[in-house]
Amino acid sequence: EAQVTQNPRYLITVTGKKLTVTCSQNMNHEYMSWYRQDPGLGLRQIYYSMNVEVTDKGDVPEGYKVSRKEKRNFPLILESPSPNQTSLYFCASSYRSNNSPLHFGNGTRLTVT
Amino acid sequence: EDQVTQSPEALRLQEGESSSLNCSYTVSGLRGLFWYRQDPGKGPEFLFTLYSAGEEKEKERLKATLTKKESFLHITAPKPEDSATYLCAVSGGYQKVTFGTGTKLQVIP
Repeated sequence: EAQVTQNPRYLITVTGKKLTVTCSQNMNHEYMSWYRQDPGLGLRQIYYSMNVEVTDKGDVPEGYKVSRKEKRNFPLILESPSPNQTSLYFCASSYRSNNSPLHFGNGTRLTVT
Repeated sequence: EDQVTQSPEALRLQEGESSSLNCSYTVSGLRGLFWYRQDPGKGPEFLFTLYSAGEEKEKERLKATLTKKESFLHITAPKPEDSATYLCAVSGGYQKVTFGTGTKLQVIP
């Protein structure tokens, strides 16, 4: 089954404790992206990747890191999480560039206390 | 900066009562306009892509249209299972995808 898999689904952590949210897709997609979704603000793009070893900032990249060492994986790293990063995070992928439909994972709900 | 504005924020319809959702956008070099459906606790699910003004696409009770400044999602004779949040997004020339805040649709039996 074609899918984007995120882990974990739920995560509660404390300020400053480094964490990684994993994302994997099995569709051989070139384009991958991370979003955060907050009430009243909608989905905002954090980082995106056009292909292996090619990443770029979205609209809200501060406090986040990403890497794309393999085509299928695109982890999101929070080196020193803060409470304002409490949010619902989605990973997405598409066949090629940003003019193909995005396939989304089921989300990771992160709480930073 | 690319911008997407959706209206209304929320819409309550009786079953069978047709209506339209609006998506206004500004983008430098439109590469595609997308409609997604999002159910509570889930990731958005793709519905349509529109690439140029005048284009229309249909799927069951949904029809999406595109002009140079806005897109409409028409819902004909909706059913309760159409209740969800509908998201509009645009892709521009910088490989980014910008989403609107969505319209939350509730269809009452």
